[in-house]
Amino acid sequence: NAGVMQNPRHLVRRRGQEARLRCSPMKGHSHVYWYRQLPEEGLKFMVYLQKENIIDESGMPKERFSAEFPKEGPSILRIQQVVRGDSAAYFCASSPSGPGPYNEQFFGPGTRLTVL
Amino acid sequence: GDSVTQMEGPVTLSEEAFLTINCTYTATGYPSLFWYVQYPGEGLQLLLKATKADDKGSNKGFEATYRKETTSFHLEKGSVQVSDSAVYFCALSDPEDSNYQLIWGAGTKLIIKP
Repeated sequence: NAGVMQNPRHLVRRRGQEARLRCSPMKGHSHVYWYRQLPEEGLKFMVYLQKENIIDESGMPKERFSAEFPKEGPSILRIQQVVRGDSAAYFCASSPSGPGPYNEQFFGPGTRLTVL
Repeated sequence: GDSVTQMEGPVTLSEEAFLTINCTYTATGYPSLFWYVQYPGEGLQLLLKATKADDKGSNKGFEATYRKETTSFHLEKGSVQVSDSAVYFCALSDPEDSNYQLIWGAGTKLIIKP
């Protein structure tokens, strides 16, 4: 059973370009979470999605950032008009059920975004 | 809001040394506590967890005990190996804050020298 897949692993963009990060959850998992890790900091929750629905986007910046998890295909985190401050590692996690006290999330290897 | 504080790294030890990585938390509710490990170039993996006071989580020789009185969840291992070199993250999930989303410490890098 393949784990959570993320691609690309490394992404370089110039300021003003768009970054598109993809996440394929583990087989049978319909819950996806996106986190951002700035250098020397812990992970910060961004958004929680189920298939075709955004459940909690309280951690996502209001502008330039969007996420989707379509019925078919991977979850996408999109950052429009990137700025240098968007440089970070972006991790995706999936779980077979929603958040709870026994919540175990399975993580992908991350996408490291560098904005020049 | 809730928060997790870990000891700063890197922590450098010799093989077979005793390991402690401190983790303390603040929470409005009664959280579950987790340790995740990230090996170089890989994603985070759940190492162990505890869901109520005095519970001890254990896995691969690592242990951590949920101490409500000191709001701590320190990670310990009696004899570390070079293969334990990784970044370790403490996290909590609090039903009364952020709807069970995981809140993370900054991570502690562990380096084990042969």
